[in-house]
Amino acid sequence: DGGITQSPKYLFRKEGQNVTLSCEQNLNHDAMYWYRQDPGQGLRLIYYSQIVNDFQKGDIAEGYSVSREKKESFPLTVTSAQKNPTAFYLCASTTGIHGYTFGSGTRLTVV
Amino acid sequence: DQQVKQNSPSLSVQEGRISILNCDYTNSMFDYFLWYKKYPAEGPTFLISISSIKDKNEDGRFTVFLNKSAKHLSLHIVPSQPGDSAVYFCAAGNSGGSNYKLTFGKGTLLTVNP
Repeated sequence: DGGITQSPKYLFRKEGQNVTLSCEQNLNHDAMYWYRQDPGQGLRLIYYSQIVNDFQKGDIAEGYSVSREKKESFPLTVTSAQKNPTAFYLCASTTGIHGYTFGSGTRLTVV
Repeated sequence: DQQVKQNSPSLSVQEGRISILNCDYTNSMFDYFLWYKKYPAEGPTFLISISSIKDKNEDGRFTVFLNKSAKHLSLHIVPSQPGDSAVYFCAAGNSGGSNYKLTFGKGTLLTVNP
């Protein structure tokens, strides 16, 4: 079955650590996105990529980094510069404006 | 600057009744609108969409209405069922853009009471 896989489902980070969230899709979608969900804040765009080896900052890119070395993969690194990283992170992909396919999310908690 | 607004954080309805979720947008470039449904700790799932060339789109119990002059859309669920209880996100985008970016509202928590 085609879809998007995010891992891990739960992730704990110590202060000052970098952590990487995985996002893999087998839908052959060109465009991929990372969103962050906070209570009462909806979904906010962190980074997006329309093609391999290219990506753009979204609305809240500070403290995050991404790479797009393969069409199927779009990992997100939450760096120590991100001061409030505790959130639910969602990855999505699409071939057009008609709608995204989302992964099941990763819950990141700072301990 | 919120370009997509869902002014009701929550809505509670009785099973069998109609649920109406509202969404307003400010960006005139938006011409494609979608509704997503989300359960806790899961990713959103696509529900229904509408292009700006239409004012209504229907899919089973779900109907989306678009009022372009008012920059307003609404999602009607009839009849509402307990399984419809979830957070509903309104999203908007520009079909002429090449990046397929969607802007999401903050969501409305719908609770359908048996």
